[in-house]
Amino acid sequence: KAGVTQTPRYLIKTRGQQVTLSCSPISGHRSVSWYQQTPGQGLQFLFEYFSETQRNKGNFPGRFSGRQFSNSRSEMNVSTLELGDSALYLCASSPPPGQGSYEQYFGPGTRLTVT
Amino acid sequence: AQSVTQPDIHITVSEGASLELRCNYSYGATPYLFWYVQSPGQGLQLLLKYFSGDTLVQGIKGFEAEFKRSQSSFNLRKPSVHWSDAAEYFCAVAAANQAGTALIFGKGTTLSVSS
Repeated sequence: KAGVTQTPRYLIKTRGQQVTLSCSPISGHRSVSWYQQTPGQGLQFLFEYFSETQRNKGNFPGRFSGRQFSNSRSEMNVSTLELGDSALYLCASSPPPGQGSYEQYFGPGTRLTVT
Repeated sequence: AQSVTQPDIHITVSEGASLELRCNYSYGATPYLFWYVQSPGQGLQLLLKYFSGDTLVQGIKGFEAEFKRSQSSFNLRKPSVHWSDAAEYFCAVAAANQAGTALIFGKGTTLSVSS
């Protein structure tokens, strides 16, 4: 099976702009989670989507949003970018309930740099 | 609140020597525990997981971990380290509730391997 894919891999944006990142989960996985990784804060949970619904959310401002499509692909959007949003954004997918659904498989990430 | 502590920020081990990376967790219910590895510029790879049952779990790449409820620990071990094991290692606990699941990560331990 193909792994989790994320596009683009690298992105440079300017403060105030907005950005959209994309994630395709492993085939058959319906849950997609997003994490932000920075040197200072480490890995932090952003949100989780299941069957096109956000069912869990971390402690991030409303500038961070996401959505999931009927094919389980997910996007996250960050509006009004700030320098502090520079980070590696990781997407992860989980197997269906009853098949080890607590484990998460990660993509390679999107490296976002805000200048 | 749930949390994960990895007391060692950086460890250096000689190639061929044994390795133990420490992880302590704080979680009210039965924890679902994971170890992930991250190579530079890459996403996270799942090494092993503990859900229930045998407290000594085997993973990929020759790694194993032991769950000790009395010590709230889930330490990662490898009998003989290879140069290719140099990477950053993260311990995580799955915080699951009716809303969904989020992984809570420790700050990570960077492993260097000397020849």
